[in-house]
Amino acid sequence: EVQLVESGGVVVQPGGSLRLSCAASGFTFDDYTMHWVRQAPGKGLEWVSLISWDGGSTYYADSVKGRFTISRDNSKNSLYLQMNSLRTEDTALYYCAKDTGDYDHYFDYWGQGTLVTVSS
Amino acid sequence: EIVLTQSPATLSLSPGERATLSCRASQSVSSYLAWYQQKPGQAPRLLIYDASNRATGIPARFSGSGSGTDFTLTISSLEPEDFAVYYCQQRSNWPRITFGGGTKVEIK
Repeated sequence: EVQLVESGGVVVQPGGSLRLSCAASGFTFDDYTMHWVRQAPGKGLEWVSLISWDGGSTYYADSVKGRFTISRDNSKNSLYLQMNSLRTEDTALYYCAKDTGDYDHYFDYWGQGTLVTVSS
Repeated sequence: EIVLTQSPATLSLSPGERATLSCRASQSVSSYLAWYQQKPGQAPRLLIYDASNRATGIPARFSGSGSGTDFTLTISSLEPEDFAVYYCQQRSNWPRITFGGGTKVEIK
């Protein structure tokens, strides 16, 4: 059974930093591109970032480019999101999501999310 | 950035009725469109990918159609568990992956 379990969400002040983690199991982690997708409270879905199976390619939404860094450790079946210079508009539930393939860019499995609140 | 516009924002229907949800793209996305279902407090679930292919385990009452800029998700006969929010998503011009704003299907 595929499982994605996010952690690391907390309340942080504007300008602060945070690192989210996602532990994956039930599939061959290093066969797939992985993503972060977020959802602000009561709002829709926003794609944040993706990383290729080997970590060699990363992409970001314009809203987070230069502030967030995605990474992965295939030896630990784990995905990460380093979030710097946080803004109030980054407040959201952050989901880790598995790509349907190597570069299909649909999301067939999602974690339950970890809540990041940026507030003073 | 490709903007996806979903309509209507809310659809009020009764169990057993047919639901027709629309997603319109600001420019062609070919057939690179997916649909997701999200229930309160849950993560989204992939229903349809590449406009018309049902994901694993998705009931046959869900079907997708369209190409280019106009897409439709049809639920042939609503079951009680189908009342939820539905999102479309395009991957045509990745990495600029975008979602629509969602359609809420509520019980009438």
